[in-house]
Amino acid sequence: NAGVTQTPKFQVLKTGQSMTLQCAQDMNHNSMYWYRQDPGMGLRLIYYSASEGTTDKGEVPNGYNVSRLNKREFSLRLESAAPSQTSVYFCASSKATGTGGWSYTFGSGTRLTVV
Amino acid sequence: AQSVTQLGSHVSVSEGALVLLRCNYSSSVPPYLFWYVQYPNQGLQLLLKYTTGATLVKGINGFEAEFKKSETSFHLTKPSAHMSDAAEYFCAVSLSGNTPLVFGKGTRLSVIA
Repeated sequence: NAGVTQTPKFQVLKTGQSMTLQCAQDMNHNSMYWYRQDPGMGLRLIYYSASEGTTDKGEVPNGYNVSRLNKREFSLRLESAAPSQTSVYFCASSKATGTGGWSYTFGSGTRLTVV
Repeated sequence: AQSVTQLGSHVSVSEGALVLLRCNYSSSVPPYLFWYVQYPNQGLQLLLKYTTGATLVKGINGFEAEFKKSETSFHLTKPSAHMSDAAEYFCAVSLSGNTPLVFGKGTRLSVIA
């Protein structure tokens, strides 16, 4: 099915370990985003990429890095995981629609626990 | 910069009663507004969105929202709550399709039988 695919769906890390969350979309969207969701905090933007080759910091970028590998893929890396990074991570992409609106599509999320 | 305020982190209604979830935004330019629903342990599903045109927007599952520029509001309503409406609801704003959505903190809706 067309959409945004995130891998893995679940992950447990030890403090200090590193890992990369993968995100790919097959809708030819230009812009991609990484959010984290914590109870009572809504979704907060970590990083985004308005187009291939560009990335920008969001509200909560500390402790994360991103790579826009190509138009389809946008990965999020935790270099040294901390318990404060325990969260649910969502990847999203967006594109202008023909009717003058915009379409944002979200992945199903990665539930990350850092112990 | 844009921001979104959702009044009430938890709203409880009886089955069959009116659902009203409040959302106010701040934006320096005309915003584009969205409501998403999230069921437990699931991702986000778009309920409805306002971009341009008619200010009363109808969405899925009987929900609708009205964009009121003078009140900087985009409240979500449903005339009659159903048990299946129990979920968390997020209001979000963006300036354009290639800029990030800014989310409110969410409102958890409980429906009492």
